[in-house]
Amino acid sequence: DTGVSQDPRHKITKRGQNVTFRCDPISEHNRLYWYRQTLGQGPEFLTYFQNEAQLEKSRLLSDRFSAERPKGSFSTLEIQRTEQGDSAMYLCASSFSEEADTQYFGPGTRLTVL
Amino acid sequence: AQKITQTQPGMFVQEKEAVTLDCTYDTSDQSYGLFWYKQPSSGEMIFLIYQGSYDEQNATEGRYSLNFQKARKSANLVISASQLGDSAMYFCAMREGETDSSYKLIFGSGTRLLVRP
Repeated sequence: DTGVSQDPRHKITKRGQNVTFRCDPISEHNRLYWYRQTLGQGPEFLTYFQNEAQLEKSRLLSDRFSAERPKGSFSTLEIQRTEQGDSAMYLCASSFSEEADTQYFGPGTRLTVL
Repeated sequence: AQKITQTQPGMFVQEKEAVTLDCTYDTSDQSYGLFWYKQPSSGEMIFLIYQGSYDEQNATEGRYSLNFQKARKSANLVISASQLGDSAMYFCAMREGETDSSYKLIFGSGTRLLVRP
């Protein structure tokens, strides 16, 4: 039983470039979440999908950020025109809708914007 | 507004001793869930334990237990018989409600635990 996977694990890019991250959730998990974590802080919610529908977006998700989950399975998070302030760990989590709705996290993608 | 507070930036514990990590929360919802996650230096968030607001018994999972005091809005994590591998960041998190409004987690700022041999 595989867990949540994310690709790439590390990404270094220059300011102004576009980057895309991928998340593969635990199979049969219908909910998928993206969080951002900066050094010394807890993760902050970015967005959430139930199946293929994006049901909630944080105000942190500026119009440079877009997320998709086209077939209700894997998801992508794209950041356009990256800024140095985008440097962070991007975490993906998935859950199955039940009482606890426990979210299981992937290993994260660490983004460094030079 | 929903909020999680972890007042201990860092904690030390001697190997094989028990340790309590504090967490207080603020919510106006009657229904909510509380979670603890462990984050080793590798970065992955590992789920440890869950407590529902209507659960009458404190949750336990192996060496982890959650001391849930609803009136005080606290959900402290107790780790018994600490091991060197327990050294990590620990995050308390809350999910509000059973409505379809949101399932996002709100995290505290974390406590770094160091287990001494």
